[in-house]
Amino acid sequence: EAQVTQNPRYLITVTGKKLTVTCSQNMNHEYMSWYRQDPGLGLRQIYYSMNVEVTDKGDVPEGYKVSRKEKRNFPLILESPSPNQTSLYFCASSLFPSGNSYNEQFFGPGTRLTVL
Amino acid sequence: RKEVEQDPGPFNVPEGATVAFNCTYSNSASQSFFWYRQDCRKEPKLLMSVYSSGNEDGRFTAQLNRASQYISLLIRDSKLSDSATYLCAPKGGAGSYQLTFGKGTKLSVIP
Repeated sequence: EAQVTQNPRYLITVTGKKLTVTCSQNMNHEYMSWYRQDPGLGLRQIYYSMNVEVTDKGDVPEGYKVSRKEKRNFPLILESPSPNQTSLYFCASSLFPSGNSYNEQFFGPGTRLTVL
Repeated sequence: RKEVEQDPGPFNVPEGATVAFNCTYSNSASQSFFWYRQDCRKEPKLLMSVYSSGNEDGRFTAQLNRASQYISLLIRDSKLSDSATYLCAPKGGAGSYQLTFGKGTKLSVIP
């Protein structure tokens, strides 16, 4: 089954304790992205990756890191989480977007993170 | 002007009603537009894509007005299962790889 998986699905942690949220897709997609979703603010892009070893900042990258060592995986790293990073996080992937081509983004099920 | 604006709702409509949502966007270079549906606490899922003037898929019709920079989503004969939040997402112009999501419009279809 074609899918995007995220782990963990739920996480409660404390300020300053490093954590990693994993994202994996089995569709051989080049493009992967991380979003956070907060009430009243909608979906905002954190980082994205065009392909292996190619990453770039989205709209709200502060406090986050990513890596893309393999095509299928795109982990999100919070080196020192803070309470303002409490949010619902989604990973997404799609075929490489070129020009105005149609490229549906497939989303993972989400990770609900609480930082105390 | 915000990049993507949607009326947050909620829109409370009876079953069988026709309902329309609008979405305005500020990036005049956008060429591709998407409507995603998001159920409560779940991931967004693509509902429709729009490239030219519009697109129709069963009870759903999306229309694009480039001059006024807005897209609309029309749902006919609303079902209870249509209750969800609908997200508008223009894609940046040629050379851009990003979708910019609106905050969504919440729809509740009432029996």
